[in-house]
Amino acid sequence: DAMVIQNPRYQVTQFGKPVTLSCSQTLNHNVMYWYQQKSSQAPKLLFHYYDKDFNNEADTPDNFQSRRPNTSFCFLDIRSPGLGDAAMYLCATSRAGQGLNYGYTFGSGTRLTVV
Amino acid sequence: RKEVEQDPGPFNVPEGATVAFNCTYSNSASQSFFWYRQDCRKEPKLLMSVYSSGNEDGRFTAQLNRASQYISLLIRDSKLSDSATYLCVVIQGAQKLVFGQGTRLTINP
Repeated sequence: DAMVIQNPRYQVTQFGKPVTLSCSQTLNHNVMYWYQQKSSQAPKLLFHYYDKDFNNEADTPDNFQSRRPNTSFCFLDIRSPGLGDAAMYLCATSRAGQGLNYGYTFGSGTRLTVV
Repeated sequence: RKEVEQDPGPFNVPEGATVAFNCTYSNSASQSFFWYRQDCRKEPKLLMSVYSSGNEDGRFTAQLNRASQYISLLIRDSKLSDSATYLCVVIQGAQKLVFGQGTRLTINP
């Protein structure tokens, strides 16, 4: 009964070669998030979609883009991966409205290696 | 100043011991607070929410002090399976989860 699914689980990409990570959910949550987590560090929010509205964090590099074609799917595109982009990328979903949030669910993450 | 600060540890304690973690947050408008547990190379998983009145779930007790902007987690009678990183998490606005650095705990037999 996996509810937030990330593919692939492990991704190896070449330096500078565009890569896309995917996330899908069966929860019908209206908010979807992408977090980057480097070794021994806290997950860092890159951006999130509130319904169709895209919310970028101020310090997220332009190299990172996202698409949400429908409620269930959200993609993270890294246009030109550098060695410093190697990390675990976590997708999360939540149901939010009227100023409240009703809890988060994380996917299992995609571990990205840049060679 | 970081938005959410934790002592990164590591904490190494014997099985059966009681261990406490602390966390402070900088945004006084924060409304919701959680402790998450993250095992090595896995995603964070919700351990428990933290309420102003304090709450307990088995061996785990969480406390919130809004005046001091301080959150705590107490684990009693620790088990080997409690070994993990414990993340203090604060919601800003209605949507944004902000994580602390995490406190690494190892329970020794």
